[in-house]
Amino acid sequence: AQKVTQAQTEISVVEKEDVTLDCVYETRDTTYYLFWYKQPPSGELVFLIRRNSFDEQNEISGRYSWNFQKSTSSFNFTITASQVVDSAVYFCALSRGNNQGGKLIFGQGTELSVKP
Amino acid sequence: DTEVTQTPKHLVMGMTNKKSLKCEQHMGHRAMYWYKQKAKKPPELMFVYSYEKLSINESVPSRFSPECPNSSLLNLHLHALQPEDSALYLCASSQELQGTSLAKNIQYFGAGTRLSVL
Repeated sequence: AQKVTQAQTEISVVEKEDVTLDCVYETRDTTYYLFWYKQPPSGELVFLIRRNSFDEQNEISGRYSWNFQKSTSSFNFTITASQVVDSAVYFCALSRGNNQGGKLIFGQGTELSVKP
Repeated sequence: DTEVTQTPKHLVMGMTNKKSLKCEQHMGHRAMYWYKQKAKKPPELMFVYSYEKLSINESVPSRFSPECPNSSLLNLHLHALQPEDSALYLCASSQELQGTSLAKNIQYFGAGTRLSVL
């Protein structure tokens, strides 16, 4: 069975602090995809990044960076120099590969609050 | 442009009403999705359409009836709902259902319809 665990329910930081959101996944598939989405109070889920199971390269996009480690089944997300606009719920998700696609399996989400 | 448009933004309905939610995308995506999200919970998949055919139904009660009249439009018809059906209903679309190295399975979401059933 597939499962995504985001152990941190809520995180509160002060602006300019760095913060890491943890994501651990379980799957027996050899091909799978991992995603991060941001959900601000407005409700829309905003796509941030997709990683496939064959690409363990870390990625940096501005203040955002992602660390994918298959050995520990983790796909962690770091925000550097956090800003108030980063306040949102962040979801990590897993999608099966090959012919099993379509369903996103979400973690429970981490609510990030960045205070000025 | 990765825009998925949902209407209405808010909907209040009684348990005997019939209403519809609408979702539209003009990105040429061939897979479309309905999700239900309760407060403080992750989205839960309800239905998936691929090339205008129903591909996945996650055992959703029949009071929810999806429809995909064309590749750009997805509807969710609501009838005889219960108060516990009150939630945020999210629509999403992706180029294809299956993932590839070309990232065709990235789902782009609309802003949702906040539904209250009285």
